[in-house]
Amino acid sequence: DQQVKQNSPSLSVQEGRISILNCDYTNSMFDYFLWYKKYPAEGPTFLISISSIKDKNEDGRFTVFLNKSAKHLSLHIVPSQPGDSAVYFCAASYTNAGKSTFGDGTTLTVKP
Amino acid sequence: DVKVTQSSRYLVKRTGEKVFLECVQDMDHENMFWYRQDPGLGLRLIYFSYDVKMKEKGDIPEGYSVSREKKERFSLILESASTNQTSMYLCASSWDRTSEQYFGPGTRLTVT
Repeated sequence: DQQVKQNSPSLSVQEGRISILNCDYTNSMFDYFLWYKKYPAEGPTFLISISSIKDKNEDGRFTVFLNKSAKHLSLHIVPSQPGDSAVYFCAASYTNAGKSTFGDGTTLTVKP
Repeated sequence: DVKVTQSSRYLVKRTGEKVFLECVQDMDHENMFWYRQDPGLGLRLIYFSYDVKMKEKGDIPEGYSVSREKKERFSLILESASTNQTSMYLCASSWDRTSEQYFGPGTRLTVT
């Protein structure tokens, strides 16, 4: 049973436009959510996170939205830049889990 | 800056060989993790450790073992490598079990 799902394997957007990456989860115990970015031949790097007590967290061009009732979160990148082209992983955890559960990733391509 | 290093970027081994993958972090993190990344399957947790000499199974521990004799070092062992263990292996560390993880650059292991 996959508890964290990223249903879009890939997304292509034009430079300057908004990129929206989506993530759904099934475990209602999850209370902390993270996004990571991964370039080829490198390890993932942490991008932004959100606690379940919030519904929005913003950091520069990156905003994460959390809809607990729908068990859905999304990452918005505005404006998108070619350097944002990477694989984006959504992850979720809860206090006693001891670990994070990752989605399969979405490959974002930003075209100049 | 947190640094997580992995002993090899690329490794080629034969079926049946014993393989050691080493990971070292320099931030005094309590928690360390081993993942494998395969196309379309995201990051799957193999083992994790929250303290020296402690280990917990992740989602896919079969065929692997780990060792954590010192806080900064976490080793992944393939007792008898098989072709289905050809993959990208990523090590990570974190302050606590659910906070953001810092990843190493990965080891691309090919078993022939």
